[in-house]
Amino acid sequence: EVQLQESGPGLVKPSQSLSLTCSVTGYSITSSYRWNWIRKFPGNKLEWMGYINSAGSTNYNPSLKSRISITRDTSKNQFFLQVNSVTTEDTATYYCARRTGSGPRFDYWGQGVMVTVSS
Amino acid sequence: DVVLTQTPVAQPVTLGDQASISCRSSQSLVHSNGNTYLEWYLQKPGQSPQLLIYKVSNRFSGVPDRFIGSGSGSDFTLKISRVEPEDLGVYYCFQATHDPWTFGGGTKLELK
Repeated sequence: EVQLQESGPGLVKPSQSLSLTCSVTGYSITSSYRWNWIRKFPGNKLEWMGYINSAGSTNYNPSLKSRISITRDTSKNQFFLQVNSVTTEDTATYYCARRTGSGPRFDYWGQGVMVTVSS
Repeated sequence: DVVLTQTPVAQPVTLGDQASISCRSSQSLVHSNGNTYLEWYLQKPGQSPQLLIYKVSNRFSGVPDRFIGSGSGSDFTLKISRVEPEDLGVYYCFQATHDPWTFGGGTKLELK
């Protein structure tokens, strides 16, 4: 069974970088599909942040483009999120999710990790 | 960016009732390839979002047939017949026709 699990610090100081890991089991991230980061702000708003595909190409939401980086470690079957220069507005629950190709959809999600930006 | 407007924001229901959620897009969600990439997700309390419907009306594996997605162009609806306790939570529409992909603001299905 495919499983995704996020990990990373729950507290980040303003102006620092937020770094999260998504560990994938049950499917190789180099086989196919797009591997995404999505966040949910307090108050229920969801925002798609970006993805890295099986070939290693990335696509980012322009609202974050200058601050975001998604990379991967294929040997560990993990992909990563980095958001630079965070502010309190980056406080959210962060999810990683797999998006299939045909009949595309987010079919597997991690359980989410809450990140608070505060001094 | 495409704005998806969901109504109502909250839908109080009695178990066994039908519920209907609207998702209206600021522009047509028909892709140049002819497909419409409109999906519905449900986030139950304490859980991650889960896929219900993709490409407007296709139910994901294991989703009960009481969930029906419909619509076209920029106007979409999710109907839930005979609401059950496990259907409570926040419903989101999502579009992947236009970059950047965007979510609706959510509709909370709650008990009266």
